[in-house]
Amino acid sequence: NAGVTQTPKFRVLKTGQSMTLLCAQDMNHEYMYWYRQDPGMGLRLIHYSVGEGTTAKGEVPDGYNVSRLKKQNFLLGLESAAPSQTSVYFCASSPTSIWWEAYNEQFFGPGTRLTVL
Amino acid sequence: LAKTTQPISMDSYEGQEVNITCSHNNIATNDYITWYQQFPSQGPRFIIQGYKTKVTNEVASLFIPADRKSSTLSLPRVSLSDTAVYYCLVGDGNAGGTSYGKLTFGQGTILTVHP
Repeated sequence: NAGVTQTPKFRVLKTGQSMTLLCAQDMNHEYMYWYRQDPGMGLRLIHYSVGEGTTAKGEVPDGYNVSRLKKQNFLLGLESAAPSQTSVYFCASSPTSIWWEAYNEQFFGPGTRLTVL
Repeated sequence: LAKTTQPISMDSYEGQEVNITCSHNNIATNDYITWYQQFPSQGPRFIIQGYKTKVTNEVASLFIPADRKSSTLSLPRVSLSDTAVYYCLVGDGNAGGTSYGKLTFGQGTILTVHP
């Protein structure tokens, strides 16, 4: 199993350009997440999905859109990139669980380093 | 989402036991406590999780007192490869809960292991 993969690994954009980051998982997980991590800081949740066809806003959703057309894929879009969106983006996935069982574990991808000039 | 507080950094030496304490005073009944490890240029990696008392796996132990307002991650006999950032998180383990699956990562604890 490849686990969680992210495409691309690196990208440089100019202000105003658009792009889509692709996350794929082969573990049949229901939940998927997009985070951003800025230097010296923890991860902040952008958007997440609890299943195919559903998405929800996280802590910092402004400037981003997402889609979950297939269970295994979660796309993060930047419609008009801004320098403030320069960051490392991590995708994660997790299986469902019920609360009296172990809380679920999130599996992270390797990250995409995005620079917006 | 419950806020967590943990030391910004810690130093240790190879072979020592390291204990990292995290406070989470506003932890909710449905919240589980989870610890992640992150190496530079990599995504976080799950270490251990628990609800109460003590949990142990092959890499760490997690101690949670009865009031659950804090927790301690214990790493036995650390090595240089344990140098990383360690995050303490609390999250709703109830699949029907509105905050289920939403984790809040703080700044974490930078652990540096010296030879």
